[in-house]
Amino acid sequence: AQRVTQPEKLLSVFKGAPVELKCNYSYSGSPELFWYVQYSRQRLQLLLRHISRESIKGFTADLNKGETSFHLKKPFAQEEDSAMYYCALSTDYSGNTPLVFGKGTRLSVIA
Amino acid sequence: EPEVTQTPSHQVTQMGQEVILRCVPISNHLYFYWYRQILGQKVEFLVSFYNNEISEKSEIFDDQFSVERPDGSNFTLKIRSTKLEDSAMYFCASSDPGTGRKLFFGSGTQLSVL
Repeated sequence: AQRVTQPEKLLSVFKGAPVELKCNYSYSGSPELFWYVQYSRQRLQLLLRHISRESIKGFTADLNKGETSFHLKKPFAQEEDSAMYYCALSTDYSGNTPLVFGKGTRLSVIA
Repeated sequence: EPEVTQTPSHQVTQMGQEVILRCVPISNHLYFYWYRQILGQKVEFLVSFYNNEISEKSEIFDDQFSVERPDGSNFTLKIRSTKLEDSAMYFCASSDPGTGRKLFFGSGTQLSVL
């Protein structure tokens, strides 16, 4: 079965410091990976996905199939980045296969 | 940007009672989902719905659960006889083929079973 592991429940960094939120997955095929974010009192929203190879709000994530990882990185953390971050996996690029979420990491950026 | 809306935002019920959680997906979306998140735990998939039928469901989605799209806009989750362990935040989401696997989530319904 597919599994997504986010080893850190809480990550605290100072403003301006680099941040890396770890995500590892287990799936033998070619997955599609996502990062979702939930700001305080707001809904879950898509931050980025690996097939887009985009940078959103300064965040990037690279899929490393050898290490089965999809870590989320930002070189300089901002206070407004404080939120819950969820890594998610899909095994189907076009269909209806449900997303499998990790447990989430709470990022706290300290001024 | 269009949003998925969920009502109510909070629902308190007695154990054994039936609850219906309501969702209005984004109007041109074709895929609909329910997820839940028990406090302190991860977001878990319950069920997906496409073309007026369940396309996939998890082990959590047992006979106590059902979904319905009673009209062209609403998508409901019914729990027939609630248990204490059903207490969770329930999220509705929708997507369409044009957005790939980008799910749009509602703000959730916090269900408390007493």
